Formats: sequence, structure tokens, C-alpha cells
Amino acid sequence: AQSVTQPDIHITVSEGASLELRCNYSYGATPYLFWYVQSPGQGLQLLLKYFSGDTLVQGIKGFEAEFKRSQSSFNLRKPSVHWSDAAEYFCAVGAIDGGSQGNLIFGKGTKLSVKP
Amino acid sequence: NAGVMQNPRHLVRRRGQEARLRCSPMKGHSHVYWYRQLPEEGLKFMVYLQKENIIDESGMPKERFSAEFPKEGPSILRIQQVVRGDSAAYFCASSPTSGRTGELFFGEGSRLTVL
Repeated sequence: AQSVTQPDIHITVSEGASLELRCNYSYGATPYLFWYVQSPGQGLQLLLKYFSGDTLVQGIKGFEAEFKRSQSSFNLRKPSVHWSDAAEYFCAVGAIDGGSQGNLIFGKGTKLSVKP
Repeated sequence: NAGVMQNPRHLVRRRGQEARLRCSPMKGHSHVYWYRQLPEEGLKFMVYLQKENIIDESGMPKERFSAEFPKEGPSILRIQQVVRGDSAAYFCASSPTSGRTGELFFGEGSRLTVL
């Protein structure tokens, strides 16, 4: 079955520290992978996406993610966290095997807190 | 350049009432998707619509829930005879083409509370 696992429910980092949010997926073929960010009471904003090609993808707000097929992972990283990065982060997998476009499978999210 | 517009942002209903949630996609987008987010959960796909057509409703509950995207006007997600378990945030997303999976633009959501 297709699934996305975000092992960390809540992470706290100090401002200026580096960040890595983990995402593992289970999928039958090469997936389309996404990271979204959700601020409290808001909708989701796309941070970055992987469709094909270079496995290290750059996104907005200084985020990057690396697709590792052997580990079925797509971890999100940022070298220096800012207080405004506090939010909830969702990893998602897209259906590309003839299934419905837009039918994304989301992980349960990782809530990021940033301490001064 | 307005994004995806959802209304109402907050809706309170009593058990047994109907809830109607509206979504206007971004300008130029003809594909609309509805997702539901339960507390402490990620988003779950419900339905994918194009103008006047339901393309994929594999995530819709079999009863009480329906969705439409008419030729004119917003997409509407309708929940009849609401129950407490329907309390959730309902997000609409849109995309411009049928070529790329997942390039979705989300609205700010409609938060339904059932008393």
C-alpha cells in the first residue's frame, strides 16, 4: 500500500541551528515527492517538489530535499533555521501510475518549534 | 492575482444540519481537488473535479458527501446530515493543467465544527 511516514511528530530547534525533517515513503514505482508547509490556521504552501532528474532539489525559503531511492526517503533540510520557520511540515507522494492526478498521499506532519 | 478562495473560513453546524463549503480556484485553473484534515492527521484526498465532471471520487465517503464544480461558479462540497466526526478542516486546491501531478495550490481551508 502507498504510504508516507514522518517519524517525528514534533521537533524543536534553536534559531540558527540546522534542520532535517525525515520522510519515508512506500510506493510501487518512482514517486513524485513534495514538501508542504502549513502555518497555524492557514493553507498549505509548496516548498519544493521532486519529479525526476537531480536528486537534490532546492525550494523556497532556503529549504532543500534529497531523494534517496535506496532508502525510500525524501528528507527536508535547512542549514540555518529562522524563527519564522515554525510551522507544520508535510511530506506527500503523488500518484503517477495512471492514478488520479492531484491524489496526493500525505504524511501526518512534523510540527517544528524554534526557540530563540 | 487571487489565490484559491474558500468560504466560509469557519462554519458551525448542529448534528443533522447541512454544510456547504465553497471553493473558487485560481484564475486559469480548471482542476479542483478537495482534501480533509482531521485533528492531528495529514490531509486525505476526497475528490478531484473538472468543470461539470467528477474525475475521481475515490476518497469521498459513500454517504452524505457530494461535490460539484459547475460550468459557472465555485466548486461546492456538500455534507448532509452532519455528524460530530465530520468536524475537520476542508481544503480545496486547484491546478492549471492535467500534465503534472501534485502541483497544487491550496486555499486556506474551511473549518467545520459540528456541535
